[in-house]
Amino acid sequence: GEDVEQSLFLSVREGDSSVINCTYTDSSSTYLYWYKQEPGAGLQLLTYIFSNMDMKQDQRLTVLLNKKDKHLSLRIADTQTGDSAIYFCAETALKGAGSYQLTFGKGTKLSVIP
Amino acid sequence: GAVVSQHPSRVICKSGTSVKIECRSLDFQATTMFWYRQFPKQSLMLMATSNEGSKATYEQGVEKDKFLINHASLTLSTLTVTSAHPEDSSFYICSASLGRGGYQPQHFGDGTRLSIL
Repeated sequence: GEDVEQSLFLSVREGDSSVINCTYTDSSSTYLYWYKQEPGAGLQLLTYIFSNMDMKQDQRLTVLLNKKDKHLSLRIADTQTGDSAIYFCAETALKGAGSYQLTFGKGTKLSVIP
Repeated sequence: GAVVSQHPSRVICKSGTSVKIECRSLDFQATTMFWYRQFPKQSLMLMATSNEGSKATYEQGVEKDKFLINHASLTLSTLTVTSAHPEDSSFYICSASLGRGGYQPQHFGDGTRLSIL
């Protein structure tokens, strides 16, 4: 079945850039997403990229997609302590009966050191 | 925009109780709503997908008689955990999408922490 993998932990110093990586296996993925989850809360959609795009930038966030290698990354520039959270990579593809479902990675816990 | 409200945020109850969780899309009409379960330090596991006015589609291994889903309107879906037991304790999160999920991202509620004693 489909699989989404990401490293579990990342630690960076405040002001540095953070890069969170993700790999996926489903070649029919149409959209790829990054969600942020703070402790005890739901998921906040940060950004998403269509599978025919290579890059998308939105303020401090840059998403890079290498479709050939099925590799997605999220770069956070000038990382702040408020960026400390768990970041989930997710992909969506057409499943049976015409429905789209999200498949999530296990999440990367980003810790920002002041 | 795209705000999803989920209530209650936390429930503690005795074994055998049925618990209802509501998921509302506040500023858009959600064609499709999704219910997930998240175990500690784990990813989200999709439980079921519901489309307004039709029966929910459950993932393999999820008991539909145990987890009743009603999607009565384009802004409200409910999940009822019937006769809850301690093993049902978990973090339940709903999401809502304008479309059938492919070209519209899912927007998530804040989750419900369910603890069964």
